[in-house]
Amino acid sequence: DTEVTQTPKHLVMGMTNKKSLKCEQHMGHRAMYWYKQKAKKPPELMFVYSYEKLSINESVPSRFSPECPNSSLLNLHLHALQPEDSALYLCASSQAPGTEAYNEQFFGPGTRLTVL
Amino acid sequence: AQKVTQAQTEISVVEKEDVTLDCVYETRDTTYYLFWYKQPPSGELVFLIRRNSFDEQNEISGRYSWNFQKSTSSFNFTITASQVVDSAVYFCALSEVEAAGNKLTFGGGTRVLVKP
Repeated sequence: DTEVTQTPKHLVMGMTNKKSLKCEQHMGHRAMYWYKQKAKKPPELMFVYSYEKLSINESVPSRFSPECPNSSLLNLHLHALQPEDSALYLCASSQAPGTEAYNEQFFGPGTRLTVL
Repeated sequence: AQKVTQAQTEISVVEKEDVTLDCVYETRDTTYYLFWYKQPPSGELVFLIRRNSFDEQNEISGRYSWNFQKSTSSFNFTITASQVVDSAVYFCALSEVEAAGNKLTFGGGTRVLVKP
């Protein structure tokens, strides 16, 4: 299995809703990432998990809350979002830190989020 | 701080023409990795190539070729005999491996439109 899966594909939510995005990989990778991509812009890193521990938070607002319950799963919990948070949310994974292939990130298809 | 510049925002060609995408990067690291990703309309980022800073050999993979020139900090990508399926946004990216984790810095992307 050489892919990263993300659910749901599309999500529409109101500003008072609580929802979660899910990412899964079965490649034995030990680093996982969340990126946010606005229309016609490049992806921007949000969070990095290494060995299930949060290692990088790129000053993301607290209404985004990541969680890595095990080495295969990565969640992004959403609460009280704003319309400007509407974007494509991409998950990625890579080999364990310290390996040559650590730099190579494999991306999922993304969740297209619309906040009303 | 790292920076990746893709000066061409959009390129339009007719099928079977060659197209070259430019990428210029800035980094203070002596060891770094460069990448090209393809993003079709479906949204998924597809990995195309990884090159480390010590390997300046050019690479060819089918209709794709890459020219890495460390002296000019450039990592250009050529599609030979373009096809309609090549229509996508292409991102050049630079990897910075920090103690805290692996961060990818993307260029702004070049949209390639191949017309039949």
